[in-house]
Amino acid sequence: EDKVVQSPLSLVVHEGDTVTLNCSYEVTNFRSLLWYKQEKKAPTFLFMLTSSGIEKKSGRLSSILDKKELFSILNITATQTGDSAIYLCAVGLNTGTASKLTFGTGTRLQVTL
Amino acid sequence: SAVISQKPSRDICQRGTSLTIQCQVDSQVTMMFWYRQQPGQSLTLIATANQGSEATYESGFVIDKFPISRPNLTFSTLTVSNMSPEDSSIYLCSVAAGPNSPLHFGNGTRLTVT
Repeated sequence: EDKVVQSPLSLVVHEGDTVTLNCSYEVTNFRSLLWYKQEKKAPTFLFMLTSSGIEKKSGRLSSILDKKELFSILNITATQTGDSAIYLCAVGLNTGTASKLTFGTGTRLQVTL
Repeated sequence: SAVISQKPSRDICQRGTSLTIQCQVDSQVTMMFWYRQQPGQSLTLIATANQGSEATYESGFVIDKFPISRPNLTFSTLTVSNMSPEDSSIYLCSVAAGPNSPLHFGNGTRLTVT
C-alpha cells in the first residue's frame, strides 16, 4: 500500500525562526513529490520535485528531494505569522495517462509573535 | 495556472438528501479530480472525472454514492447522494494540465450533514 508520512504532526515556533518539515514515502511507480500550503479549505501549490538533489526555492521557502532515501524536506526561513498553515506533502504516481496524488496527513505549523 | 471556481462554498444538509457540487475552470484541462478531506484527515481521492465517459472511482467510492458528470473540458459536477453525517467533509475539485503538471485546487465545498 502506498504511504506518505509527514513529521512532525504539528509544531509551534516564534516569528523569525527557521523550520524544517519532513516527508517520507513508500510508493510504487513514483513520478513526483509536491508540497502544498492549506490555510482554509483549498491547498495552494508550492513546489513540485522530480529529481534528486535539486533545490527548488521561492522566497523564504525551499525544498529538496532525495529519491534514494525516499524523502523530502520543506524549509521555511525567517518565519512569519502568515506562514501558519497546514503543509501537505503529496506523491504523484505514474498511472498510465493520469498522475494521481497520494497525500500525507500534513504538518500543522503555528507561528507566534 | 487555471482559475477554478467551485460552488457552493459551504452547505448544511439534512441526512438522506443529496447535494451537487459544481466545478468550473476558466480554461480547458485534460485532467480533473475530486478529493474529499474528512475532519482532521488528509485528502483522499474520490475519482477521476473523464470527459465524455464514466468517471474512474478509487477503492471505497462508488458511482451510486458519488455520481460525477464531466460534459466538457471545463466543467464537472460531483453529487453526494443519500447523505449521512459521515459525509461531512471538505470536497475539492482539482485540475492538472497534464500528467507532469502540478495539481491545482478549487476553493472547496465545506459540507455539514445533520
